[in-house]
Amino acid sequence: DTGVSQDPRHKITKRGQNVTFRCDPISEHNRLYWYRQTLGQGPEFLTYFQNEAQLEKSRLLSNRFSAERPKGSFSTLEIQRTEQGDSAMYLCASSPRGRDNYNEQFFGPGTRLTVL
Amino acid sequence: DQQVKQNSPSLSVQEGRISILNCDYTNSMFDYFLWYKKYPAEGPTFLISISSIKDKNEDGRFTVFLNKSAKHLSLHIVPSQPGDSAVYFCAASAGNYNQGGKLIFGQGTELSVKP
Repeated sequence: DTGVSQDPRHKITKRGQNVTFRCDPISEHNRLYWYRQTLGQGPEFLTYFQNEAQLEKSRLLSNRFSAERPKGSFSTLEIQRTEQGDSAMYLCASSPRGRDNYNEQFFGPGTRLTVL
Repeated sequence: DQQVKQNSPSLSVQEGRISILNCDYTNSMFDYFLWYKKYPAEGPTFLISISSIKDKNEDGRFTVFLNKSAKHLSLHIVPSQPGDSAVYFCAASAGNYNQGGKLIFGQGTELSVKP
C-alpha cells in the first residue's frame, strides 16, 4: 500500500511530556500538511510544507509545536510540554505536484494523542 | 469564524434512496471544494471535488453541485448504500498553485443509511 502512513497510531502521555509524531506521505507527492481534529469538529489546518520548506503555519500552532520535513520526504510534528488541551487526532495529508489536482489531499490514518 | 458550515450534524436515509448533504461557505475567495468521507478511527478519504468554474461534477453514485451565488454546495449520493454510513466533511480552499491549497473543513454530517 502506498498511501500516507503515520506513526504511532495512538499515544498516551502525561501532561508536561514531549511527544513526536511521524508522517510518511505518498512518495511522489511534494506537498505535506498537518491538521488537528477534535471531537465533533472537522480537521483544522496546522502547517504545510512544499518539499522541505515550511510555507505556512496556523495561529493554532503555538510555540510548543514544531514541524520539520528535513529532506522533503517524511515529516515530524513535535509537541513540547503537552497540555490536556492538546488531546486530539493529528492528521497528516499529502497532495500531488500536478497543477490540476494539487488541491486533492490524501490523508493518513492519524495519530490519536491523549494527554493525562 | 466558521468559514465552512455543515448545519446538519446527522442525516438518516433508507437504502436505495438519495442522500443529500449540504454545505455553506462564507469566503468568496474559495475556488475549489472537496468532499471527504470518514469512518471512525481512520483518516478522511477523498470522495469528489469541484472547481468554482463548474457547477456540477459527477463520479459514479456521487454528484457535487455548486451554487456560487448562494455560496452553497451539496453532495448527492444515489442510490445510497449501508456502506455509505460515515461522517462526511465538506472542505474548501482558496488561492492558486503557488499558494498552498490548505483546506478549511466544515464540522461534518453523520450519514446513516438504513437497510
